[in-house]
Amino acid sequence: EPEVTQTPSHQVTQMGQEVILRCVPISNHLYFYWYRQILGQKVEFLVSFYNNEISEKSEIFDDQFSVERPDGSNFTLKIRSTKLEDSAMYFCASRREYQETQYFGPGTRLLVL
Amino acid sequence: AQTVTQSQPEMSVQEAETVTLSCTYDTSESNYYLFWYKQPPSRQMILVIRQEAYKQQNATENRFSVNFQKAAKSFSLKISDSQLGDTAMYFCAFIPRRQTSGSRLTFGEGTQLTVNP
Repeated sequence: EPEVTQTPSHQVTQMGQEVILRCVPISNHLYFYWYRQILGQKVEFLVSFYNNEISEKSEIFDDQFSVERPDGSNFTLKIRSTKLEDSAMYFCASRREYQETQYFGPGTRLLVL
Repeated sequence: AQTVTQSQPEMSVQEAETVTLSCTYDTSESNYYLFWYKQPPSRQMILVIRQEAYKQQNATENRFSVNFQKAAKSFSLKISDSQLGDTAMYFCAFIPRRQTSGSRLTFGEGTQLTVNP
């Protein structure tokens, strides 16, 4: 059964550094999402992406964040200058057209020191 | 805006017993979907079950079933014959059904379920 994959599984970085989190959505899915979960808190929506552009973003998704689909398979989240409070689990999700069910990847655990 | 509330931060159940996790939501949308996701210690988000609001029949998926009460805006998850592998954080989630793309999932706070041997 196809799955969403994410790399790396864990990343440790220094405050102020740039990080890129990578996701490979399920191949016939057209809608892509990033969510984050700070330890012990609920899962929060960051951004959705469709047809090579952002379709919706939350108030969390400020100028330090960007998303890109550089090729036909990858979907990336870039954090330009990481802050301590960016430490969280980041989940990528995807879904098919005309279906609302989002399938999540295993997540990337980001730790900013 | 939608809100999802899970009022039980923690629950426990004995193996083979039945447990029900509660979820309430608030929305002005008339058509939407509700989900339960499971997050084991690995922290992966796994879809457990989904319910379409326009369907009156409660969804079932093997040992998992829901009690969907649309008027009360309640969406509880029942786990029958609990197994040790059911130990996880369970999140209730809501998404409106819209024509526009990119609708976001709104999650509840989660309920940590522990199945005891």
